[in-house]
Amino acid sequence: AQSVTQLDSQVPVFEEAPVELRCNYSSSVSVYLFWYVQYPNQGLQLLLKYLSGSTLVKGINGFEAEFNKSQTSFHLRKPSVHISDTAEYFCAVTQRQAGTALIFGKGTTLSVSS
Amino acid sequence: EAQVTQNPRYLITVTGKKLTVTCSQNMNHEYMSWYRQDPGLGLRQIYYSMNVEVTDKGDVPEGYKVSRKEKRNFPLILESPSPNQTSLYFCASLGFTEAFFGQGTRLTVV
Repeated sequence: AQSVTQLDSQVPVFEEAPVELRCNYSSSVSVYLFWYVQYPNQGLQLLLKYLSGSTLVKGINGFEAEFNKSQTSFHLRKPSVHISDTAEYFCAVTQRQAGTALIFGKGTTLSVSS
Repeated sequence: EAQVTQNPRYLITVTGKKLTVTCSQNMNHEYMSWYRQDPGLGLRQIYYSMNVEVTDKGDVPEGYKVSRKEKRNFPLILESPSPNQTSLYFCASLGFTEAFFGQGTRLTVV
């Protein structure tokens, strides 16, 4: 069975500061990894995904994430955040085969203030 | 355009009054799923379907039913809603490498 742990439930930062949102997963088989963002009162939007190849994945809005197989991590980073990045961020994992569930972490609320 | 259409967006109902939340996808995906989102708990899977007439329980199935009579539609049924089912619900359609989500249904049971 797979599971996802987002290590921080809330991350407060100041505008233009760097940020890292941490995600660890467990799975006995190879996985695909995702980060989704949910802005206030909106649905889920895909930020980025790791399927294979380069372990550094670039997404929308200047975010990137690095897949680390040995540490089973997929941390999300942004070098300089904006007020508009305030949102909830979800890490998710699924096995590399059709018909398997997409399992989510409990979410990290990123609050950017000026 | 790839789309998951979920209705209604908002619903207030009373305890015990049966309701259905509809979900439809246009990507010919076999796998569809329902999630509920609650503060501090993330998204939890309610039910999923791997194909027509194939459904199974997720992590929090109590109080819910689903059906999959055709590939594109996957309705969520609450036969007798209770206040603890007040939540934000998302339908998802899963391709091999990406999930597509509906806009969500905010349900309040009073």
